[in-house]
Amino acid sequence: KAGVTQTPRYLIKTRGQQVTLSCSPISGHRSVSWYQQTPGQGLQFLFEYFSETQRNKGNFPGRFSGRQFSNSRSEMNVSTLELGDSALYLCASSLWDDNEQFFGPGTRLTVL
Amino acid sequence: SQQGEEDPQALSIQEGENATMNCSYKTSINNLQWYRQNSGRGLVHLILIRSNEREKHSGRLRVTLDTSKKSSSLLITASRAADTASYFCATGSDSGGYNKLIFGAGTRLAVHP
Repeated sequence: KAGVTQTPRYLIKTRGQQVTLSCSPISGHRSVSWYQQTPGQGLQFLFEYFSETQRNKGNFPGRFSGRQFSNSRSEMNVSTLELGDSALYLCASSLWDDNEQFFGPGTRLTVL
Repeated sequence: SQQGEEDPQALSIQEGENATMNCSYKTSINNLQWYRQNSGRGLVHLILIRSNEREKHSGRLRVTLDTSKKSSSLLITASRAADTASYFCATGSDSGGYNKLIFGAGTRLAVHP
């Protein structure tokens, strides 16, 4: 089975712009979670989707949003980018609740 | 916010030695998982231990969980240079958190040939 894929792998944007990141989960996995990783804050949970519904949201401003499609693929969007949004954004998929999560390689976003 | 602390923050050992990393957390959990990350890449799942388990093994990995102390440890035996990576513990809540994981700050392990 193919693993979790994320596109693009690298992205450079300027302050004020918006960005959309994409994640394709492992086939059959309906849960997709997003995490942000920065040197200062570490790994932080953004949100989780299951069957197109957001079930959980982390403590991030409304500029961070996401969605999930009927084929379980997910996108996250960050609007009005700030320098502090520079991070590695990781997507993970899971077959069941409270089970292991499989992570993609991440999208490294740089905001200039 | 992060769930807890990992100790030590960094560990440097020689090949063949054992490496022990500790993780403490704050809230009640359903499960605790350990992940490895190489140089800012994706996370690789190592092992999951549920709150009603005390110890689990997988190859050269041994994980213990003490829910009364809210702590866990990861032991890597007979370490290899390829084990060089950052190791993170992550907890899943027992209060309907579904697949939300709270990560520790991680331990950077360096294994020297």
